Amino acid sequence: GAVVSQHPSWVICKSGTSVKIECRSLDFQATTMFWYRQFPKQSLMLMATSNEGSKATYEQGVEKDKFLINHASLTLSTLTVTSAHPEDSSFYICSARDRPPGAFFGQGTRLTVV
Amino acid sequence: SQQGEEDPQALSIQEGENATMNCSYKTSINNLQWYRQNSGRGLVHLILIRSNEREKHSGRLRVTLDTSKKSSSLLITASRAADTASYFCATTGSGNTGKLIFGQGTTLQVKP
Repeated sequence: GAVVSQHPSWVICKSGTSVKIECRSLDFQATTMFWYRQFPKQSLMLMATSNEGSKATYEQGVEKDKFLINHASLTLSTLTVTSAHPEDSSFYICSARDRPPGAFFGQGTRLTVV
Repeated sequence: SQQGEEDPQALSIQEGENATMNCSYKTSINNLQWYRQNSGRGLVHLILIRSNEREKHSGRLRVTLDTSKKSSSLLITASRAADTASYFCATTGSGNTGKLIFGQGTTLQVKP
C-alpha cells in the first residue's frame, strides 16, 4: 500500500528556534497533503491543506506565519514551526492522498520545545 | 474543528470480549472512516464506509453507519491485547477536498 514517510520522528528544540518537519509520499504523487496537530490524549486537529505549487490553505485559528508550509514537489511537503515556544510542543502528523478517498498518514513528529 | 463526539472516551475490557465504540458527526458526509492509533504513533486506516452503505465487515471489525442519526459504530469482536490503542472516526465532507475531520477518539484497553 501507499506509504507516507515523516521526518524527524521526534525533535527537541530551544524556544525561539525554528523546526522543519518533512512529509514525503514514497510511492505515489500527492498534489495535496494535510497537516494535523495532536495534543496529548486529544484528537487530531487539521491545521492546513498543503497544495503542490500553490499556497497552503489554513484552518481557522492557525497562524500561517507561525506554521509555514511548502509543497514544492509532488512528493514532499514541509511544515516549519517558526520561533517555536513551549506551547507549540505537540505531535504533528501529515497525511497524503493517493486517490480518493484513501488517506495515508505519516508516523508523526513529536516536537518538544524547551 | 472537531466533527463530533465519540463514546465512550475510554473502554477497558478483557481479552476475548467484544468492544463497541460509537461516533456521531454533524454535517453531511461522503464517507466515514475509522482509524487506529497506538500510543505516540501515526494512524492506521482500518475501514471505510460510504454514505450509501449501512454496514461493512473486515475481519474482526464491523462498522455500521446511520446517516439519519449521523452516527457510526465500530465493533471489534474477540478482542486481543494487541487491540489496545486509540480509535478515531473521521469524516470527509460532501466536497472532495480530502480533508478529514476527526472525532474525539476512544481509548481501548484490552486486558490479557
